[in-house]
Amino acid sequence: AQRVTQPEKLLSVFKGAPVELKCNYSYSGSPELFWYVQYSRQRLQLLLRHISRESIKGFTADLNKGETSFHLKKPFAQEEDSAMYYCALSGWSGGSNYKLTFGKGTLLTVNP
Amino acid sequence: NAGVMQNPRHLVRRRGQEARLRCSPMKGHSHVYWYRQLPEEGLKFMVYLQKENIIDESGMPKERFSAEFPKEGPSILRIQQVVRGDSAAYFCASSRTGLARQETQYFGPGTRLLVL
Repeated sequence: AQRVTQPEKLLSVFKGAPVELKCNYSYSGSPELFWYVQYSRQRLQLLLRHISRESIKGFTADLNKGETSFHLKKPFAQEEDSAMYYCALSGWSGGSNYKLTFGKGTLLTVNP
Repeated sequence: NAGVMQNPRHLVRRRGQEARLRCSPMKGHSHVYWYRQLPEEGLKFMVYLQKENIIDESGMPKERFSAEFPKEGPSILRIQQVVRGDSAAYFCASSRTGLARQETQYFGPGTRLLVL
């Protein structure tokens, strides 16, 4: 079974501080991991995916298969980063690679 | 491109009534997914449809829920005889193909259903 755990419901940091949003997953096959972000009054949008190995808006995330983690990091948080962040997984097995499994989300607040 | 459109954005129903939620995918997208988000929970997959076909409905409750994606028009998620436990946010997403590894699922703004 697929499972995504985001242990922090709320995370508050000051502007300019480093930020790390934790994500752990459970999946027996070869997963693909995503981070989605939802800014206030906006729709859910893809922030980044591990297969792309890119940095978006200064955020990076590395898939650690040994620790089954995909933590999202940014060295210097900005106020505009305040949003709800969801970690998601899709499994590449049995053809059902389209089915996204989401964590419960972490609400990040960046204080001035 | 207006993105994935969902309507209504908010829907209030009394117990026992029917709820119809509509989703128009992005232009050029023929794959539609419905997710449900209960309060304090993450989004949970319900059903995956292509035009005129239900590909995977493994996340749909066995009773009262149905989905369609006709040849013409939006995808419809239908909930019959709603109960309070159906109160949730229902999100639709679309993609060009059904391969998550290559394609991004683009989400609509969601429909907030409240059952009184």
